[in-house]
Formats: sequence, C-alpha cells, structure tokens
Amino acid sequence: GAGVSQSPRYKVAKRGQDVALRCDPISGHVSLFWYQQALGQGPEFLTYFQNEAQLDKSGLPSDRFFAERPEGSVSTLKIQRTQQEDSAVYLCASSLFRGGTEAFFGQGTRLTVV
Amino acid sequence: AQTVTQSQPEMSVQEAETVTLSCTYDTSENNYYLFWYKQPPSRQMILVIRQEAYKQQNATENRFSVNFQKAAKSFSLKISDSQLGDTAMYFCAFREQTSYDKVIFGPGTSLSVIP
Repeated sequence: GAGVSQSPRYKVAKRGQDVALRCDPISGHVSLFWYQQALGQGPEFLTYFQNEAQLDKSGLPSDRFFAERPEGSVSTLKIQRTQQEDSAVYLCASSLFRGGTEAFFGQGTRLTVV
Repeated sequence: AQTVTQSQPEMSVQEAETVTLSCTYDTSENNYYLFWYKQPPSRQMILVIRQEAYKQQNATENRFSVNFQKAAKSFSLKISDSQLGDTAMYFCAFREQTSYDKVIFGPGTSLSVIP
C-alpha cells in the first residue's frame, strides 16, 4: 500500500481480554515504531524494530505488552489481560532506513478497555 | 533525558491571520532534529516541517516556518494565512542523531482556526 496501515481502527475489549493490533508498514521500510497516545496527550514511545530485530523495548509499560515483527515487515502489538489504563490510541510508524529523517505514521488503533 | 514542552494547550486564530505555536526542549546533545507534526481528528500524524540542529537557517515550507533558537532550546512554529484545514493538534517533536529514529513528542497544542 501507499502508506502505513493499521488494523483494526477501533477495538473494544473487556478488562482481562487479550488483544492484538496489526501494523503494515510501507513496503521496504526497515525501521518500525510503536507509540501509545493517551487521550489529549502526545505519543509515547513503546518499542522499535530494525527489520525483524527488536532493538529497543524500553517504553513497553509492563510485561503484558509484547511486540513482534517476525519477517521484518508486518508487526503485531499484543496486550495481554488488558486493563482500563491501557485505553489509548496505538500508533505505528515506519521509516525507510536506520537514521532516516522522516517517519510515516498510520492512523492508529483506538483501544477502549471496558 | 530529552524532554519537549509545549506551554500552550489550546490556541485559536482567525482565518487568514498568523499564529505562532511555542515549543522548548531539553537535551545535552549537539546534533539532533526537530519536527512539527499535525494530527487532525482522523488521527493521521502528518509531518509539517523539520529542522536540523546544525543548520542555522530556519526551515520554511509554504505557509509554515520555524524560529529555531538553539542556545535557548526553542523551536516555535509560525503559520501564516491560516486556513480552516489547519485546525488540528500540533506536536513538537525531537530526535537525537543516533542510530535510529526514536522521536520524543511534546504534549501538543490544539489549534482552532475560526472562520
């Protein structure tokens, strides 16, 4: 596709349920990022992949959060045993290569935990 | 740790007028990039303008320009001839010149353009 695609756009989960959020980066982009954006706030870094390697996961808030990019393209962010504080928009971004100056963002997945 | 501050949670401007959004940042690095991103209600984060810290000349993109004051660690965005489509959240963002593109965002300024 022409841009970064995320699915689903909206997800409602009951507290305690596991969820999986998908990101399709721009074809050929080496770098992939996940961000969490709480309502009315700026995005907060979660994790970074260079191809299939997860080089930085320092922003993941707990061990309930897990991300993977097994073939270096599509990435999945998984949240286990969701809590109400996990409610947020999850943004994915990709950039062409390590050190590239511009990251392209998807439209995000809005997760609501009830 | 790097931080980005935007002291104006909300701003408004009349259509066709000029508005300036403020941003300050804190870093011990000498080489880095600064960005302004626009996020409309669609949630799509769109890059508006970027500035390399080693460049003294302020970046300009059509109606958008920045005032980059490196010593003061200030990076404001000026929008000229404001249009209704400029209504959005605006985020100031910082990236150090390391091996990858981790971007640190400020809390955002909600801009409303009034007809």
